[in-house]
Amino acid sequence: DIQMTQSPSTLSASVGDRVTITCRASQSISSWLAWYQQKPGKPPKLLIYRASSLESGAPSRFSGSGSGTEFTLTISSLQPDDFATYYCQQYTNFSPWTFGQGTKVEIK
Amino acid sequence: EVQMVESGGGLVQPGGSLRLSCAASGFRVSANYMSWVRQAPGKGLECVSVIYSGGRTYYAESVEGRFTISRDNSKNTLYLQMNSLRAEDTALYYCVRSQQLAPIDYWGQGTLVTVSS
Repeated sequence: DIQMTQSPSTLSASVGDRVTITCRASQSISSWLAWYQQKPGKPPKLLIYRASSLESGAPSRFSGSGSGTEFTLTISSLQPDDFATYYCQQYTNFSPWTFGQGTKVEIK
Repeated sequence: EVQMVESGGGLVQPGGSLRLSCAASGFRVSANYMSWVRQAPGKGLECVSVIYSGGRTYYAESVEGRFTISRDNSKNTLYLQMNSLRAEDTALYYCVRSQQLAPIDYWGQGTLVTVSS
């Protein structure tokens, strides 16, 4: 199975900061990567699909980039509603889905 | 409107069994990739089983031989039969929908499974 490694595991930031989360795949997944946001007690919510496409309704301050094995999620200006845990997920058709271990964005 | 409602979770002793259900509305379970994704308390996400639109199934190594995924097209419902449960199966189990080469677009609210004596 493809292993997904996120970094950092925890990130402390302030409102207005630019935040970047990295996700690395153990082998090439082309652009078959999604990013989800999860808040306590809620299921994850899709933010980005196909590495860089913004899901309808997701704020434009979220953006994704990368292909192959290295990907990033960027929040251009962190807002109070963005303090949450973020997961990457690969969804190729030659390997079962796998998720990164998550990145918790905390208030600094 | 797409909706998925899970049920069947609860407290069970190690070695016991549970059957989870996911009643779907607003779309056909049989036409989608339907999965169970679990999240242990304070931990990350793990896809434990998938039933593809063509009927093929996938199981994570951690549950292979103990869990069985199925669907009832007439009831538009997804199931997960869980046998020989272990403490490490304790988690919130989400029913999720996807498609080939597509991310998960809908999640249920989850049903909690606790395995403890």
